[in-house]
Amino acid sequence: GQQLNQSPQSMFIQEGEDVSMNCTSSSIFNTWLWYKQDPGEGPVLLIALYKAGELTSNGRLTAQFGITRKDSFLNISASIPSDVGIYFCAGSHGGSQGNLIFGKGTKLSVKP
Amino acid sequence: AAGVIQSPRHLIKEKRETATLKCYPIPRHDTVYWYQQGPGQDPQFLISFYEKMQSDKGSIPDRFSAQQFSDYHSELNMSSLELGDSALYFCASSLEVSGELFFGEGSRLTVL
Repeated sequence: GQQLNQSPQSMFIQEGEDVSMNCTSSSIFNTWLWYKQDPGEGPVLLIALYKAGELTSNGRLTAQFGITRKDSFLNISASIPSDVGIYFCAGSHGGSQGNLIFGKGTKLSVKP
Repeated sequence: AAGVIQSPRHLIKEKRETATLKCYPIPRHDTVYWYQQGPGQDPQFLISFYEKMQSDKGSIPDRFSAQQFSDYHSELNMSSLELGDSALYFCASSLEVSGELFFGEGSRLTVL
C-alpha cells in the first residue's frame, strides 16, 4: 500500500528553537494535512494544504505543499513546552477517497 | 464548537467477546471515518461512510462491521475479539468536499 515517509522520527530541542519536519511519498496527493497528537488523545488538525506550492501559516506553524505534490514540510518557530507531542503528516486523494494515509509521526520533546 | 463525540472512552473485554463503539460526527458533516491506532503506531484507516453508504474500505478485519445511521452517527461492531484488537479506535468526520478530517477523542479498547 501507499506509504508516507516522515522524518525525523524524534526530536529533542531546547525551548525557543525552531523545528522542521517533513514527509515524502512515492505517489501524488491532492491534500496534505498536519496533525498533532497528545498521548491518549485524538489527532488535532493543525494545517490543511490543497494546492501544489501552497505555503500556509497558523500562528508559529508554517507548512508547505510540495510542487511535485509528493511532499510537505512543517516548521514550528520559537518552540514552547506545550509543543511537545507527536506530529503526523497525512495525505489524501480527496473526494470519495478522502481517507487519510498517515506518516509514522515525529515525536517532539522540548526542554525548558 | 461541537466536536466529534465517541463513546465509550474506555472499554475492557475478554477474548471472543463483542464490542460496539459509537461515534457522533460534527453537525452537518456528511462523512465518517474509523481508524485504529496501536501503541506507538500511526492511525490505520478501517472504513468510511458518506451519506450513510460505505464509501471506502481499508484494513478492516472481517470480524468487524460498521454502519452509519439516518442521524449520521456511526457504530463500529467488533466480534470474536482478539488480544491484537487492543488499540485506540478513532472516529473522524468531515464534509466530503473539504478534505479536512476532525478526530474524536478515541475509544480505548483493551482485550484481556
